[in-house]
Amino acid sequence: DTGVSQDPRHKITKRGQNVTFRCDPISEHNRLYWYRQTLGQGPEFLTYFQNEAQLEKSRLLSDRFSAERPKGSFSTLEIQRTEQGDSAMYLCASSSGLAGGNEQFFGPGTRLTVL
Amino acid sequence: GNSVTQMEGPVTLSEEAFLTINCTYTATGYPSLFWYVQYPGEGLQLLLKATKADDKGSNKGFEATYRKETTSFHLEKGSVQVSDSAVYFCALSDRSGNTPLVFGKGTRLSVIA
Repeated sequence: DTGVSQDPRHKITKRGQNVTFRCDPISEHNRLYWYRQTLGQGPEFLTYFQNEAQLEKSRLLSDRFSAERPKGSFSTLEIQRTEQGDSAMYLCASSSGLAGGNEQFFGPGTRLTVL
Repeated sequence: GNSVTQMEGPVTLSEEAFLTINCTYTATGYPSLFWYVQYPGEGLQLLLKATKADDKGSNKGFEATYRKETTSFHLEKGSVQVSDSAVYFCALSDRSGNTPLVFGKGTRLSVIA
């Protein structure tokens, strides 16, 4: 078990460009979550999956954001036409989906800077 | 909707001091409650959790008790160490723990020798 991994760890882009982030959850975890964290704030929920099905999207997830989890394994989060306000740390987490106060395991995050 | 309010930092303590970080919540039903910790340069990791009223979560000398009557989940440690310096986040999810977490804003703790 190597934990949740995210790639890249850092991304600098110019306003208007598209970016894509990848998350590899802990193997056999069927739930995968995306959060966004800005400086001095707690993480805010963006979207989550059970296997390949996207179960919920936050109001924070504008139509420029899209997430996929093909085959229920890794997930990608794409931001189109990036804006400076998209600069943040993007966190991925996974959980086994079992009942009972189940723990979400977080990856190291992808820090996005939009110039 | 659900929300978490935790005391604002930063909190600076001397080694071996007693720590309390307050956390209160608003939620429908009976949520599960969590404390996550983020050490410098590291990712979020679960510190402790409680899934029903009066449960006490504990780990690494930290404790928090799920108080339904006061909708609180305060984090405590009797004697902090320099290595406890980190940002602490209170969070909740639904009872199963399998829904997205709602986090507080975090409290930065600095422990000085």
